[in-house]
Amino acid sequence: AQSVTQLDSHVSVSEGTPVLLRCNYSSSYSPSLFWYVQHPNKGLQLLLKYTSAATLVKGINGFEAEFKKSETSFHLTKPSAHMSDAAEYFCVVIDMFSGGYNKLIFGAGTRLAVHP
Amino acid sequence: DTAVSQTPKYLVTQMGNDKSIKCEQNLGHDTMYWYKQDSKKFLKIMFSYNNKELIINETVPNRFSPKSPDKAHLNLHINSLELGDSAVYFCASSPREGQVGNEQFFGPGTRLTVL
Repeated sequence: AQSVTQLDSHVSVSEGTPVLLRCNYSSSYSPSLFWYVQHPNKGLQLLLKYTSAATLVKGINGFEAEFKKSETSFHLTKPSAHMSDAAEYFCVVIDMFSGGYNKLIFGAGTRLAVHP
Repeated sequence: DTAVSQTPKYLVTQMGNDKSIKCEQNLGHDTMYWYKQDSKKFLKIMFSYNNKELIINETVPNRFSPKSPDKAHLNLHINSLELGDSAVYFCASSPREGQVGNEQFFGPGTRLTVL
């Protein structure tokens, strides 16, 4: 079965400093991976996705993630945090099943706090 | 021009009542989903419909009954509400199934509080 583990439940950074949100995955086949962001009292928005093309994936708002098969990781980074980045971030893997259908398996989430 | 919309945004009700949450998408997608987000922010899929047909039911109690009148709508009806049903419910949609890497587009959520 597919799964993702987000290694930090909370991350706190100062504005202007780098952001690193860690995610490890477990997959019995080549995975498709996403990062979603949820701002307070809002729905989920896709930040970026990896689907076996380039291993370094660029997303919206300056975020990027690197797929590392040898480390089974898909960490999310941003060079310089902005106050508006404060939100909950979810690492997600696709679980494929019979009939060609798929479902999203969510990690537990990482709450990012950004301080002035 | 909202892509995935849900009503109501907030729902407060008593234990034992029956309630419905509506979801509509105007993206022309074939597949729609319901997710439950608990108080610890954990998100889990409940149901998935493809072209009005149920394809995923993640061992959700049969008090929860999704209804898809057409592929643009997926409503969630909940009978005999319990305290543990309190959560945020998200609707989502994605393009034609079977394509690897299809992202899902989420609605704003419905916060259900059962008293």
